[in-house]
Amino acid sequence: GAVVSQHPSWVICKSGTSVKIECRSLDFQATTMFWYRQFPKQSLMLMATSNEGSKATYEQGVEKDKFLINHASLTLSTLTVTSAHPEDSSFYICSASRPGLAFSDTQYFGPGTRLTVL
Amino acid sequence: GESVGLHLPTLSVQEGDNSIINCAYSNSASDYFIWYKQESGKGPQFIIDIRSNMDKRQGQRVTVLLNKTVKHLSLQIAATQPGDSAVYFCAESLTGGTDKLIFGTGTRLQVFP
Repeated sequence: GAVVSQHPSWVICKSGTSVKIECRSLDFQATTMFWYRQFPKQSLMLMATSNEGSKATYEQGVEKDKFLINHASLTLSTLTVTSAHPEDSSFYICSASRPGLAFSDTQYFGPGTRLTVL
Repeated sequence: GESVGLHLPTLSVQEGDNSIINCAYSNSASDYFIWYKQESGKGPQFIIDIRSNMDKRQGQRVTVLLNKTVKHLSLQIAATQPGDSAVYFCAESLTGGTDKLIFGTGTRLQVFP
């Protein structure tokens, strides 16, 4: 099956610093990648849609200047949490869509990155 | 719209029994639906999907049922095993897997011996 990786798997940072999270599709080219955030015991909430070579589309309520997304290639998207604060502590998950399959043009999810801001 | 919740509903079943997990989706225009399994500290894992022109689809030990009239989706797991213990999410999309997904609240499945 398709494999999506994330790095780092967990990160602890001080308030006010910036953190970059990478999302890679390892064995396929993903024209579209998505970034989700998940708080404990809650569902996944879509933050933004990232298309290779263009600006990301952010969901309502998500600050684009705080959550910088770059999709520089068909296999790599990055999410940078700028000036992180404790309320940004969450589980960040990316997904990559793999078009072209006969029926299941599904999204494949990364393992997630646990961000803790002190 | 997007679903949030303070806690997850839980379904407890005995090993070997069948499990049925339900989901109410929000948008009558959604054309594509997916069930995901998420284990603690991991990303969601694809289980099965279905398009709106179908009302049933079967996989290995799993069946998804779609009732568009009442905007209801269900996941049936046959002969539930301890390894099935996880949180299960349904997700909907307007067009397909390349489109953004809106996730349901989620249900925690606990399998006991």
